[in-house]
Amino acid sequence: GEDVEQSLFLSVREGDSSVINCTYTDSSSTYLYWYKQEPGAGLQLLTYIFSNMDMKQDQRLTVLLNKKDKHLSLRIADTQTGDSAIYFCAESNTDKLIFGTGTRLQVFP
Amino acid sequence: EPEVTQTPSHQVTQMGQEVILRCVPISNHLYFYWYRQILGQKVEFLVSFYNNEISEKSEIFDDQFSVERPDGSNFTLKIRSTKLEDSAMYFCASSEWVGDTGELFFGEGSRLTVL
Repeated sequence: GEDVEQSLFLSVREGDSSVINCTYTDSSSTYLYWYKQEPGAGLQLLTYIFSNMDMKQDQRLTVLLNKKDKHLSLRIADTQTGDSAIYFCAESNTDKLIFGTGTRLQVFP
Repeated sequence: EPEVTQTPSHQVTQMGQEVILRCVPISNHLYFYWYRQILGQKVEFLVSFYNNEISEKSEIFDDQFSVERPDGSNFTLKIRSTKLEDSAMYFCASSEWVGDTGELFFGEGSRLTVL
């Protein structure tokens, strides 16, 4: 079945770039997503990428997609303490999302 | 900004009891979902609901689970006889349309603890 894998933790210094990685198995996914969850809050859509693209940039966020390797990454430039959260990678399958376990990003001064 | 709201934020119940988790989706949305996340595990799809009926459900969503839209605004998830393994964070979501770019808006979640 479909599966999405992420590393569990990432710790970066404020001002550095963060790169969160994700691998997925379903080659038929047409869209891949990054969601953010802050403490006590719901899942917020950050960005998504269509599977025929290999890169999408949105302000400080850059999404890279390697469809051959089924690898997705999210780069956050100039990471701030407010970026500390859990980041979920997800792929779409019909009208439901398949999520990874989430990567907890900790930003320290 | 419109948002999905869920109640209660946390519920503690005894094993075997019935639980109802409530959600108020965004008012013009037509598609509704429940997901859950067991502590330390992935966010898992439970069920999707459209036009007053279930459109898709996962194998987790067995006969102990049911969903309802009783009054046109609330969307509820009922667990008939809770088990210890039902302890999880339950997320409600809604979207304006279905499909890959139909953005899902999630609530803050209801944490269910079954003792």
